[in-house]
Amino acid sequence: DVKVTQSSRYLVKRTGEKVFLECVQDMDHENMFWYRQDPGLGLRLIYFSYDVKMKEKGDIPEGYSVSREKKERFSLILESASTNQTSMYLCASSLFRTSADTQYFGPGTRLTVL
Amino acid sequence: AQRVTQPEKLLSVFKGAPVELKCNYSYSGSPELFWYVQYSRQRLQLLLRHISRESIKGFTADLNKGETSFHLKKPFAQEEDSAMYYCAPNTGFQKLVFGTGTRLLVSP
Repeated sequence: DVKVTQSSRYLVKRTGEKVFLECVQDMDHENMFWYRQDPGLGLRLIYFSYDVKMKEKGDIPEGYSVSREKKERFSLILESASTNQTSMYLCASSLFRTSADTQYFGPGTRLTVL
Repeated sequence: AQRVTQPEKLLSVFKGAPVELKCNYSYSGSPELFWYVQYSRQRLQLLLRHISRESIKGFTADLNKGETSFHLKKPFAQEEDSAMYYCAPNTGFQKLVFGTGTRLLVSP
């Protein structure tokens, strides 16, 4: 069974703080993704990675950065958190780069920025 | 612009009624199409994908290339089908684009 874990279920931070969200997958998947999920907007892709030390911008990368130093770990970084980054953050992974491959999601981190 | 439209935010039906969750997309080429589901307090998971031509939990989805639609259907809804459903075309290299989602509520 594929397991994608996220470091925190709930996180509360203050405006301007640097925030790290961690994601780990245990199935040797090539691809990893970060989304944010907002009511009425669905899921939007922030960043993704096909390989260690590689990253690609998604649809809403502004205000975020990522790091993938090891294959199993993909970190999302908010350099200076703002209130409009309050959201549910979902991490996902998939095995192949083929378009028909399943993405497996983590449980999510609900981030509140005060 | 590439777009996925799920016109209903909420679909409320009674148990045993047929259900259809609509999805329209506008993409050049032929994207692979997926439906993902999120049950209450569970993580988002794949329900079905077009390429597999499968029926999962009684759900099927038909691709209509002429109408660029990929509607999700089930002939007899069950209470356990209540969840949030997302249509998601894959536009290439595993890049999914999710619709805004439809919440299905099945009442007894």
